[in-house]
Amino acid sequence: DAGITQSPRHKVTETGTPVTLRCHQTENHRYMYWYRQDPGHGLRLIHYSYGVKDTDKGEVSDGYSVSRSKTEDFLLTLESATSSQTSVYFCAISAPQTGNTEAFFGQGTRLTVV
Amino acid sequence: QKEVEQDPGPLSVPEGAIVSLNCTYSNSAFQYFMWYRQYSRKGPELLMYTYSSGNKEDGRFTAQVDKSSKYISLFIRDSQPSDSATYLCAMSDILTGGGNKLTFGTGTQLKVEL
Repeated sequence: DAGITQSPRHKVTETGTPVTLRCHQTENHRYMYWYRQDPGHGLRLIHYSYGVKDTDKGEVSDGYSVSRSKTEDFLLTLESATSSQTSVYFCAISAPQTGNTEAFFGQGTRLTVV
Repeated sequence: QKEVEQDPGPLSVPEGAIVSLNCTYSNSAFQYFMWYRQYSRKGPELLMYTYSSGNKEDGRFTAQVDKSSKYISLFIRDSQPSDSATYLCAMSDILTGGGNKLTFGTGTQLKVEL
């Protein structure tokens, strides 16, 4: 699994509460990404990071924030969870500085907002 | 219209068949093309990665890219029940600094029957 650990793997939370998902990598890859996967939409990019403290928005960033204080950790926060954020969240990493642009994915976090 | 279109299936084939999976895209800036395999409740696993038009072969898998037609294919020869999964096409342009944001198709569900 390319040294990527997502936590928690499953979570049920209530509408309106903040939630933080964690992605930890042991590959020292520069780029990290958060995607969500929903039926009929495939995987969509939420936010990505291109270095410590360097982040940018993806396609579906509303309602989400991210932080990256260390190379190995990328946190995704749902500021006030809504039912529309029920999804499976995947973290990915890539190291284009090595000449490769493949992205490798973690096992996912299944989030249910009730 | 989505940037990447992929027939969701499901596609059911007998063991040993040749499988053809396809995606079309509209963004001519895409330069990198990938195929991922995803088993149920698992993260996407990179199968094939190509840059530029042409064919790339890896064992029973062949990836084909036709940039002029904006069309990519994945062929699986001698299909096995273990190939039963959802296959996702993904593609990207290049971010500043060399990273890549992936745009995914919705995935094709494949079942290989004994």
